[in-house]
Amino acid sequence: GDSVTQMEGPVTLSEEAFLTINCTYTATGYPSLFWYVQYPGEGLQLLLKATKADDKGSNKGFEATYRKETTSFHLEKGSVQVSDSAVYFCALSVGNDYKLSFGAGTTVTVRA
Amino acid sequence: DVKVTQSSRYLVKRTGEKVFLECVQDMDHENMFWYRQDPGLGLRLIYFSYDVKMKEKGDIPEGYSVSREKKERFSLILESASTNQTSMYLCASRPTGTTRPHGYTFGSGTRLTVV
Repeated sequence: GDSVTQMEGPVTLSEEAFLTINCTYTATGYPSLFWYVQYPGEGLQLLLKATKADDKGSNKGFEATYRKETTSFHLEKGSVQVSDSAVYFCALSVGNDYKLSFGAGTTVTVRA
Repeated sequence: DVKVTQSSRYLVKRTGEKVFLECVQDMDHENMFWYRQDPGLGLRLIYFSYDVKMKEKGDIPEGYSVSREKKERFSLILESASTNQTSMYLCASRPTGTTRPHGYTFGSGTRLTVV
C-alpha cells in the first residue's frame, strides 16, 4: 500500500544550523506530498506541499522538492531558530483518495 | 478564523467505560477524520466520513465507532475503553470539490488516558 518513511529522531540542533529531514515514499499512483508541523501542545498545521514531480514547496524558510526518481520529499531549512522546535510529519495522498498517510514524525529541538 | 474544535484537551477514563470524543468544525467541510497519534507510529486513521450519516473504516477501526448526525460534528466512540487506547486523538476536516490536494485542518487534539 501507500506509505511514507521518514528519518527517525530526535534531532537536536543549535540555532542557525542547517536542518534536513529525509522522507521517502511508496505509492501505487502519483501522490501529492505534504509536510505538516506540530508545535508543542497544538494540532498539526500544513507547512508545505507539492503535487507533481520536480515541484518545490516552500514556506517559513522551509523547502522540499518532489523527486520522482528517488521517491523522496526531503525537508530542508538553511538556518533554524528555536521557534522551529516541533514535530514534523511527511504525508502523502494518492489520486482521489481523501485520506492522508503519515510518516512516524521527527522531533526537532533547536537550542539557543 | 476557521476552526476544528475538540471538546476536551485531556481526559482520564477507566477501563470499560464508554467514551465520547467530540469534534466540531465551522468551515462547512464535507469530510472529517479521526486519527490517533502514538510515538514512533505517526498518525493512523481510525475512521472518516465524507457526508452526514456516512462513515468509512480507516486503518485501525477496531474498538472504535463514529457518529456523524450533523455536517459540522463528528464523534468518536470507544465502546469499552481499554488501556491500549491511551493515546492522542486528532480530528481533521477537509472540503470536497476544491483543487486537489487540499490540506487538512486539524484540531488541537485530545489526550486520552485509560486507567
